[in-house]
Parts: sequence; C-alpha cells; structure tokens
Amino acid sequence: EVQLVESGGGLVQPGGSLRLSCAASGFTVSPNYMSWVRQAPGKGLEWVSVIYSGGSTYYADSVKGRFTISRDNSKNTLYLQMNSLRAEDTAVYYCARDKEGYYGDYDYYYYYMDVWGKGTTVTVSS
Amino acid sequence: SSELTQDPAVSVALGQTVRITCQGDSLRSYYASWYQQKPGQAPVLVIYGKNNRPSGIPDRFSGSSSGNTASLTITGAQAEDEADYYCNSRDSTANHLVIFGGGTKLTVL
Repeated sequence: EVQLVESGGGLVQPGGSLRLSCAASGFTVSPNYMSWVRQAPGKGLEWVSVIYSGGSTYYADSVKGRFTISRDNSKNTLYLQMNSLRAEDTAVYYCARDKEGYYGDYDYYYYYMDVWGKGTTVTVSS
Repeated sequence: SSELTQDPAVSVALGQTVRITCQGDSLRSYYASWYQQKPGQAPVLVIYGKNNRPSGIPDRFSGSSSGNTASLTITGAQAEDEADYYCNSRDSTANHLVIFGGGTKLTVL
C-alpha cells in the first residue's frame, strides 16, 4: 500500500526550531517530486515547499530562508527543517507526492498531488 | 505570483448537480487538480489532468476547463460529498511554485 506518515510536530516557542519527517512506504521517494503543504487552523491549504527528483528545492515566499526541505534516500523519508518559527507557522503539515506532465495534444500541463499523509500538527506559541 | 479564486461556499440539493469553479491565469496553461477535504482529514485527490479520476473516486465527479476557469462538477450529489474542495496548479508566473485556491465549502441540503 502506498502511504505517507508524518511525524515530528509539537509545541514550540516563537523563534524555535522543529524538524518534521515523512516516511514513505509502497513507493520510493527519490524519483518523485515531494511537497509539504500546510493548513492553519480554520484556513485553506498552503503549499510550503517541493523537492524534485534531481534534488532541486523551492519554497513559498512565506517560509523561504527559514525552512529547508530534504530527503534521505536510504530511509525513504522526506524532511522539513523549520527554523525561526513564528506564530503564523502554526498549522497541520502534510507531505504529498507530486506528479507533473504535459499533454502535447492539448498543449496543456498538469500538476497534482496524488498521495497525502494524515498530517502532523505544529503549534508555535509561548 | 498568480492566484486561484474559488467561491467560499456552494450548496446543492441531494441528488442534484453542482459545479464548483476555480479561476486564475495559471489555468490557461495548467489543468487544475481538485481535492476533497472532510473535517479532521487529509485532502484526497478527486480530479487531475484533463478529466481523470483516481481509483476509488466515484464517476459522479468530473472536471472541465475553459480559458482561465476550471470546474469540478458533481452529478447527483450525495450526502457524503459535503466537504471542502480545493483546486491546485502550478503558478505559471513564478517558476517552480505551486498554488491552491482558497477552497469551497460544499453543503448538501
């Protein structure tokens, strides 16, 4: 069964750090694009970061310079290192597997996240 | 950066058809993907690509696109379809970034 399981969430003070993990089973992380998506309490989904199969990484402006996405191929696990945490980083954090491609016949691209974990909760508060 | 705009709330009578829309410039080059999220649960992909459903998603869910607008249609809405629905695509103006719509709360009456 294809599955993602997040862990590492918790309560942290403003300015603190936390590392989230996302363990994959049923598929291999390294050949895939993998994203972190978060959802603040009562709010919508917000994309946070992506790591490509080649290792390139990209971030939402709201976390750039503070968060780092990485993976450990030997553990088949995705990570999100979160530093300088702020109250507005409080959210449920999901990891997801991404797919992207191009329909040549229609001259259109597609992008979607087909596998999601159940999420881990991060609370930033003093 | 681009945005995807969704109506905050939509309602439908049980068994009727409802369309949830998503607007944004990115949708002129990207098909939207659609996610269903029920309270306390993770999002679930329901439509991707031109109009594809993952395994296990009922065929009453369908997707379409025209210009800068993508639509998710539920034909014969069921009580279990009551949920939040989010559209998603790449940000076509900012390489490598990804965007979500603000979400639509669907109520089945």
